[in-house]
Amino acid sequence: QQPVQSPQAVILREGEDAVINCSSSKALYSVHWYRQKHGEAPVFLMILLKGGEQKGHEKISASFNEKKQQSSLYLTASQLSYSGTYFCGTDLGGSNYKLTFGKGTLLTVNP
Amino acid sequence: NAGVTQTPKFQVLKTGQSMTLQCAQDMNHEYMSWYRQDPGMGLRLIHYSVGAGITDQGEVPNGYNVSRSTTEDFPLRLLSAAPSQTSVYFCASGSRGFYGYTFGSGTRLTVV
Repeated sequence: QQPVQSPQAVILREGEDAVINCSSSKALYSVHWYRQKHGEAPVFLMILLKGGEQKGHEKISASFNEKKQQSSLYLTASQLSYSGTYFCGTDLGGSNYKLTFGKGTLLTVNP
Repeated sequence: NAGVTQTPKFQVLKTGQSMTLQCAQDMNHEYMSWYRQDPGMGLRLIHYSVGAGITDQGEVPNGYNVSRSTTEDFPLRLLSAAPSQTSVYFCASGSRGFYGYTFGSGTRLTVV
C-alpha cells in the first residue's frame, strides 16, 4: 500500500531541473508532497486532489494523472535550498483520513 | 499558534521499560497520526485518529497503544520497549481538503 517513489536519489547542479515520481497501486483521492531537511520535520509543499489541476509553488509544481494513479513533482532551476528528502503521501479517500508515505527521494543540489 | 507540540525531544529507554510520547495540537484538526522514521524506510504509519474517541491501526502498530480523549491530544504509549523501536517518531495533524498535514518536531527515541 506504500506508494513507490523514483528515483531514490538525485544530484543536481544549481539551476538544473528534476522530476520526482510517485505511483500507487490503488485509486487515490489526493496526493501530498512534503520536503524534509536533515534533522527537521517534514514540511507540506502542495496537495493534488482527484479531478484537480496541476499545482504550482514558485519554481516547484506537480501533476496528478488519475488514470495511472501517478503524481510527479517538478523542480525547475533548482536552488541550493531545494536540497532535502522529498516524500509523497497518498490518501485513498473515504471516512478515514490517513496518509501513507513513500520511502522518499533524496535531492542534493550542489553549487 | 504553537501548531503541533511533541515531547520529549530525546529519550533513552532500557529494554522492557514503558513510556508515553506526548502530542498536542491547537489547530482544531480532526485527524492526527503517529509515524516512525527509520533510515531508508520513509515514514511509516503507526496509529491514526479521525476524531476524539476514534483510533485505528496503521502499517506498524505492534508494541504501541494510542488513545484520543480530546481533539487536542494524541499520546503514543510504548508498552514494553524493544531495541527495534529505536527510531524518530513524528506526530502530525490535519484536516482533509486543500491543506496538508502539520508535523511536530519529532522525538528521537533510543532503546538500549
